[in-house]
Amino acid sequence: LAKTTQPISMDSYEGQEVNITCSHNNIATNDYITWYQQFPSQGPRFIIQGYKTKVTNEVASLFIPADRKSSTLSLPRVSLSDTAVYYCLVGGGFSGGYQKVTFGTGTKLQVIP
Amino acid sequence: GAVVSQHPSRVICKSGTSVKIECRSLDFQATTMFWYRQFPKQSLMLMATSNEGSKATYEQGVEKDKFLINHASLTLSTLTVTSAHPEDSSFYICSARVSGAYEQYFGPGTRLTVT
Repeated sequence: LAKTTQPISMDSYEGQEVNITCSHNNIATNDYITWYQQFPSQGPRFIIQGYKTKVTNEVASLFIPADRKSSTLSLPRVSLSDTAVYYCLVGGGFSGGYQKVTFGTGTKLQVIP
Repeated sequence: GAVVSQHPSRVICKSGTSVKIECRSLDFQATTMFWYRQFPKQSLMLMATSNEGSKATYEQGVEKDKFLINHASLTLSTLTVTSAHPEDSSFYICSARVSGAYEQYFGPGTRLTVT
């Protein structure tokens, strides 16, 4: 299982762009990278998923370098409601085969007014 | 789409009793469901993987006789905490995986308090 390493916490002011980097040095060829957001006492919410290069959706962008040993979640213009814990997960693949994933420590993002 | 529900959202029970938590995929069929436990200020810990129609696979250190998992249909999995003790108090979260895909969708969680 690919282990992930993220910063424990980050602070950001409202309106700024936030980049959270995750290291996954032993990522496997068929592993995908997925980011989740979790608020206190709630289940994690899917943010974005990618395999390589760049993926963008309505809430975030995910940058993955060519070696795929790290990834960066980019949140544009954060607001107070983005204060949460962000988890980077690595595993699985769209082949249909299942590979369990392990949650790392996550990054607690605190947005400051 | 891809909504997962859990019931109850919170439950308080007395030590020694059993508690059942339901996890349902509301708008999709989930061949695989997962059960996690999360203690305060900690990350999610995978407890077991539940496959429809077969026995659950438990992670190392998780007592299968204490945490009974049943995945009787493609939309429902249940976790029963038997003979609960105060140390079982935690936030239990389930997730469901669409057949053929990797993405997991998480339920809102169940807060269990054992007194």
